Amino acid sequence: SQQGEEDPQALSIQEGENATMNCSYKTSINNLQWYRQNSGRGLVHLILIRSNEREKHSGRLRVTLDTSKKSSSLLITASRAADTASYFCATDPGSGSARQLTFGSGTQLTVLP
Amino acid sequence: SQTIHQWPATLVQPVGSPLSLECTVEGTSNPNLYWYRQAAGRGLQLLFYSVGIGQISSEVPQNLSASRPQDRQFILSSKKLLLSDSGFYLCAWRGTGVYEQYFGPGTRLTVT
Repeated sequence: SQQGEEDPQALSIQEGENATMNCSYKTSINNLQWYRQNSGRGLVHLILIRSNEREKHSGRLRVTLDTSKKSSSLLITASRAADTASYFCATDPGSGSARQLTFGSGTQLTVLP
Repeated sequence: SQTIHQWPATLVQPVGSPLSLECTVEGTSNPNLYWYRQAAGRGLQLLFYSVGIGQISSEVPQNLSASRPQDRQFILSSKKLLLSDSGFYLCAWRGTGVYEQYFGPGTRLTVT
């Protein structure tokens, strides 16, 4: 089942603006990850935040995690046309031999030049 | 460095025909391997995962099966394809002691 649910489903912004995507989940997690998918391609790992972390930065990416609300957000600052892609959150429960991830349905981000 | 390959990139098959999709990983040993399916505009559905040679776990009952004949080879198969098997199939691997997964380029399957 899909545990992570992204919001909004689609987002369209102008180049240079910030883009914020949200993810909600239902069960306890060890970590939460964000991935990017360009159209027709495989997913690329962007950033991971552990359950004991509240905020993490990587370049123009900022991720927050609120385990009490079971939610996370991904902020992309100073967006570029090349940031146009689908973004997925994925939760890792921290258990199971294969550490299966559960992916959300994604946010389609369009950055207009 | 590690790389992951999937082939074919695209496939058009008639209903009732067999299927074999292959995934191989280079530059690592004993990876966890995963098969996902993605419907158009949707998220990923985990189909199978494997923690070692010959060890396959299925997440959902379906018309598909998986095998891992070698440490870095993962195969997705079907004896008779259904229209509902159409989709984008992604293979991924995860190394020991890390949490993130690394994905292949995917196979676009259209069943007609």
